Amino acid sequence: SQTIHQWPATLVQPVGSPLSLECTVEGTSNPNLYWYRQAAGRGLQLLFYSVGIGQISSEVPQNLSASRPQDRQFILSSKKLLLSDSGFYLCAGMVWGESTDTQYFGPGTRLTVL
Amino acid sequence: GDSVTQMEGPVTLSEEAFLTINCTYTATGYPSLFWYVQYPGEGLQLLLKATKADDKGSNKGFEATYRKETTSFHLEKGSVQVSDSAVYFCALIGNRDDKIIFGKGTRLHILP
Repeated sequence: SQTIHQWPATLVQPVGSPLSLECTVEGTSNPNLYWYRQAAGRGLQLLFYSVGIGQISSEVPQNLSASRPQDRQFILSSKKLLLSDSGFYLCAGMVWGESTDTQYFGPGTRLTVL
Repeated sequence: GDSVTQMEGPVTLSEEAFLTINCTYTATGYPSLFWYVQYPGEGLQLLLKATKADDKGSNKGFEATYRKETTSFHLEKGSVQVSDSAVYFCALIGNRDDKIIFGKGTRLHILP
């Protein structure tokens, strides 16, 4: 089964600083990968998804970007963080063709922008 | 487009009470339906799922039945525990879609 790894677990960054969150997948190949954000008091918001290396779809326009340099690696970045970027970021993976047809989530990264 | 609507929280119950968290969906075709749980300070975990009409997903005493006729997937548990306090998300994946659609989440508080 898939395992989704994320790091760091917690991050405190000043406004205007850059961001790089990494997600890696273990136990499968060619997964669909997703980045979600959960802001305080709100539900989950899909930010980006990728169906393959170098293929990124953006769901919400913002100052974040995503990249997929390798099949099992998905990176969320920002050049300049905003206060509103604070939240809980979750990476998820899904493989089509499996009988389970399920998304697997990483442990998440809690980002606080000060 | 596809969407999921679940009851707003917070829901507060006493231990051993009966729980229902309503979830309805809008989707074309026959989506797969899921309940995810997020315990305090943790990420999401799959709680249960159902992939076709009349299927019943169950796990840890929780159950939900895929009702095509009412487009619903309500979460139920006969006797809740304090450890069930968490946020619960209903979700769907449409046929041959690449995305999972989540409801807004329902926060559940169980009082001892």
